[in-house]
Amino acid sequence: DGGITQSPKYLFRKEGQNVTLSCEQNLNHDAMYWYRQDPGQGLRLIYYSQIVNDFQKGDIAEGYSVSREKKESFPLTVTSAQKNPTAFYLCASSIDEGTIGTQYFGPGTRLLVL
Amino acid sequence: GNSVTQMEGPVTLSEEAFLTINCTYTATGYPSLFWYVQYPGEGLQLLLKATKADDKGSNKGFEATYRKETTSFHLEKGSVQVSDSAVYFCALSDGSKLTFGKGITLSVRP
Repeated sequence: DGGITQSPKYLFRKEGQNVTLSCEQNLNHDAMYWYRQDPGQGLRLIYYSQIVNDFQKGDIAEGYSVSREKKESFPLTVTSAQKNPTAFYLCASSIDEGTIGTQYFGPGTRLLVL
Repeated sequence: GNSVTQMEGPVTLSEEAFLTINCTYTATGYPSLFWYVQYPGEGLQLLLKATKADDKGSNKGFEATYRKETTSFHLEKGSVQVSDSAVYFCALSDGSKLTFGKGITLSVRP
């Protein structure tokens, strides 16, 4: 079955630590996205990538970094500079930038701070 | 910039009740409009969409009509089921970005 996988389901971060959230898709989609979901705030775009080896900042990129070395993978690193990282993180993909409205989402990773 | 406004929640209904969830938007040009659903503990799924004015999107008994004159895309279902309990997000795309509303939680009791 094609889809998006995210791991781990839960992740704990210690003060000053960088953590990396995994996102893999086997849909052969060109575009991939990272969102942050906080209660009552909807989804906010962190980073997106329309093609391998290229990515752009979204609305709340500060304290985060990404890479896109392979088409199927788009890992997100939450750095120690992100002072309020506790949230639900969702990865998504679309066929290409032209179908940006039709996105397929992974099951999410919940990040908690110890 | 673009924005999506959803009615305040949560919404609690009895099974077989009629559902309306309001959504209005602000955008330049002619955006495409979407409803996404998030079941507990999961990611979002596309429920339905409409790409131009007066289009009606429909899926699983849910419907929404793209009303340009009122800049609205209200979600309706004639008879809700317990399995419809979820968070519903209205969203718009201007071709460069998908902008979400805050979401509304629907609980359907037997």
